[in-house]
Amino acid sequence: DGGITQSPKYLFRKEGQNVTLSCEQNLNHDAMYWYRQDPGQGLRLIYYSQIVNDFQKGDIAEGYSVSREKKESFPLTVTSAQKNPTAFYLCASSPEDRVSRGYTFGSGTRLTVV
Amino acid sequence: KQEVTQIPAALSVPEGENLVLNCSFTDSAIYNLQWFRQDPGKGLTSLLLIQSSQREQTSGRLNASLDKSSGRSTLYIAASQPGDSATYLCAVPPGSARQLTFGSGTQLTVLP
Repeated sequence: DGGITQSPKYLFRKEGQNVTLSCEQNLNHDAMYWYRQDPGQGLRLIYYSQIVNDFQKGDIAEGYSVSREKKESFPLTVTSAQKNPTAFYLCASSPEDRVSRGYTFGSGTRLTVV
Repeated sequence: KQEVTQIPAALSVPEGENLVLNCSFTDSAIYNLQWFRQDPGKGLTSLLLIQSSQREQTSGRLNASLDKSSGRSTLYIAASQPGDSATYLCAVPPGSARQLTFGSGTQLTVLP
């Protein structure tokens, strides 16, 4: 079955380190997204990409970077510039026909600063 | 800017009860609305998607309705079970944008 795979499930970051969260999809979806979820704040969009080699900032892009070299992959790097990175990160994708088929989410990565 | 509100924020019911979760949105120019379920520490699972041309969608014990003119959607859960306990989120893509706007969710607890 097709789906979205996020890895790792849990990630620990030391102060000053960059870490990269993986997101892979085999749904042949064009668009991919990264959301951050904090308790009591809901989901906030970090970055999204509608096509390979193109991506756009979301509402909270500062301290994060992404790349989209392949249609299937949309990794997120949390840089040392992100001062409060502890959160649950969700990757999603949507097809060209998002009207009738909607969005699919991965199982998430929980990032903790130690 | 699209805003999505979900009421109530939390709900606790005894097993077997029928219940309704509410979702309202400010911009009616949407092409669909999607309901998701999230278990603690897990990702989002899509439950139902209602296109703007539809009034409702059904899947098993779940029924979702959409009234664009009033900016409202409801998720009806029949004969609730403890396994239904989770947070339920509604989300809309505003206008032509690809970005989803989420409500803050309703945390449902079904007591055995």
